[in-house]
Amino acid sequence: QVQLQESGPGLVKPSETLSLTCTVSGASISSKCWSWIRQPPGKGLEWIGYVCYSGNTNSNPSLKSRVTISLDTSKNQVSLKLTSVTAADTAFYYCARHADASFWSPFDYWGQGTLVTVSS
Amino acid sequence: DIVMTQSPDSLAVSLGERATINCKSSQSVFYSPNNKNHLGWYQQKPGQPPKLLIYWASTRESGVPDRFSGSGSGTDFTLTISSLQAEDAAVYFCQQYLSTPHTFGQGTKLEIK
Repeated sequence: QVQLQESGPGLVKPSETLSLTCTVSGASISSKCWSWIRQPPGKGLEWIGYVCYSGNTNSNPSLKSRVTISLDTSKNQVSLKLTSVTAADTAFYYCARHADASFWSPFDYWGQGTLVTVSS
Repeated sequence: DIVMTQSPDSLAVSLGERATINCKSSQSVFYSPNNKNHLGWYQQKPGQPPKLLIYWASTRESGVPDRFSGSGSGTDFTLTISSLQAEDAAVYFCQQYLSTPHTFGQGTKLEIK
């Protein structure tokens, strides 16, 4: 059974860097693409970006150059870094697996999500 | 960006009745080389992550009850729940995965009447 588990600080100060890790079990991260998606409490879903084992990566232009997504194959983990955070970055953050080995596919497995609050 | 617009924002349906949710994309999400609509539907219950129900606009994910069906092509899509059960109360999202940024509809809240 494929499982994804996000982890990281639940509280980040404004202007600092949000760092999250998604640990994948039951599947190798080497065979698919992986995305991060966020959801402000009570609101809709926003795709942040993806990374594929091929090295292909892309992120939402709305987040400009603040996003870095990477893979650690030795630990079977996907990571997210979001720099210069503000209160607008407060949200539940989800990692999700693309169903195919392509980013042109839906998200078939999701982590439970982790709430990150940006506040001083 | 492809904008996804769902309607209605919320609806209340009686148990056993049909529920219909619409999703319209600002550009076609049909991709000719693979002859597929890059459109998915997700269900989200409180405190849970979204769950994939339908992909390629009309293919039901494994384990999803057959009362859930998807239809449409190009820019107009529909999610239908043929006979509403209590456990179907949730928020439903459509999503396009044809181009980046991948985008979601604003969500439709389905309640039991």
